[in-house]
Amino acid sequence: NAGVMQNPRHLVRRRGQEARLRCSPMKGHSHVYWYRQLPEEGLKFMVYLQKENIIDESGMPKERFSAEFPKEGPSILRIQQVVRGDSAAYFCASSQGDNSPLHFGNGTRLTVT
Amino acid sequence: GQQLNQSPQSMFIQEGEDVSMNCTSSSIFNTWLWYKQDPGEGPVLLIALYKAGELTSNGRLTAQFGTTRKDSFLNISASIPSDVGIYFCAGQPPPGNQFYFGTGTSLTVIP
Repeated sequence: NAGVMQNPRHLVRRRGQEARLRCSPMKGHSHVYWYRQLPEEGLKFMVYLQKENIIDESGMPKERFSAEFPKEGPSILRIQQVVRGDSAAYFCASSQGDNSPLHFGNGTRLTVT
Repeated sequence: GQQLNQSPQSMFIQEGEDVSMNCTSSSIFNTWLWYKQDPGEGPVLLIALYKAGELTSNGRLTAQFGTTRKDSFLNISASIPSDVGIYFCAGQPPPGNQFYFGTGTSLTVIP
């Protein structure tokens, strides 16, 4: 019963380093979403991808952040030159299609020191 | 982005009481979803709604897609301690790409 798998669960980076967050969608799901959550807050949309395509990246900062969902392998959210303000929980969700509900992983908690 | 107003922000209730919370948006949505999130975990899907006026139940939970397509409601009957958590609504506007999330309702159940 493989749900959405995210790793690592916790990631500590020093300012200026790169953070790579991985997400394997549920079996049969070809749509991946990334959300960011700060403590005591809701989920903020970052990017929506289908296999090999970025569909909507309107919520992702223009600099330092990038996402991909290659034909083979997990989706990757990459944050370059991390700053303290990047510390947050990053959640990945997958779905079967445009109107299908999202199923979430347990997140990666990024701490920038 | 879209604004989803979720209320109340927090609730403290006695075990056995019923709970109601709602979510409103400034524009119409095609899909409404309700999630529960426990500390340190990802949101778990509770109920999905696809048509205006639709009323759907999942055990003690009942959710409705508002007739104006701009709101949705979640009710929990006979609350129990394991209902504690943060409840989020999420809506998908046409044409159907991203989902927007509400700010959450924190539920505390007092035994």
